[in-house]
Amino acid sequence: ELKVEQNPLFLSMQEGKNYTIYCNYSTTSDRLYWYRQDPGKSLESLFVLLSNGAVKQEGRLMASLDTKARLSTLHITAAVHDLSATYFCAVDGDPNSGYALNFGKGTSLLVTP
Amino acid sequence: KAGVTQTPRYLIKTRGQQVTLSCSPISGHRSVSWYQQTPGQGLQFLFEYFSETQRNKGNFPGRFSGRQFSNSRSEMNVSTLELGDSALYLCASSATPTGHTFYGYTFGSGTRLTVV
Repeated sequence: ELKVEQNPLFLSMQEGKNYTIYCNYSTTSDRLYWYRQDPGKSLESLFVLLSNGAVKQEGRLMASLDTKARLSTLHITAAVHDLSATYFCAVDGDPNSGYALNFGKGTSLLVTP
Repeated sequence: KAGVTQTPRYLIKTRGQQVTLSCSPISGHRSVSWYQQTPGQGLQFLFEYFSETQRNKGNFPGRFSGRQFSNSRSEMNVSTLELGDSALYLCASSATPTGHTFYGYTFGSGTRLTVV
């Protein structure tokens, strides 16, 4: 059974600080996705990582993928309040499941003054 | 271009009733996947349709079913509703089948279903 584990699940950080969210997965998938969800809202695509060593950056967020370690990181630089949200990583499942997306439980981020 | 449209946004149903949710993907996208999101179980895959064919199905009872039309719009149906079916139902659209995308999946705003 494919497992996607995120940590931490809850993160409270001060504005201006840096932090990293980790996403470990158990499949050999080389495709990983990061999404953001605001309360009561849908999932907003942040990053699509398609190969080992992929690194993408958008504003204060940077995501990377290490398929050998089956690990992706989402790094937050100089956090601001607007980044408060829940962040999910997801991987394509195995062929037997038709590659259905498997999500982590999400990291609930709160950025405080 | 228009995003993924889900209707209705909110629904309140009584136990035992059935419900139909609709999802219109981004124009040109042929894959529609459905997910259930609950606080306890998180995001769980329901099923995926590509070119009117169900490609795969998650671990949900037969009360959950779906279909896709020739214009790629998809519907999911839940019969004999139970309290535990209360959830946010999200659909995701992509141009290619799951596992083959280069651009990821675009999610709709979801339908919030409450079963009382």
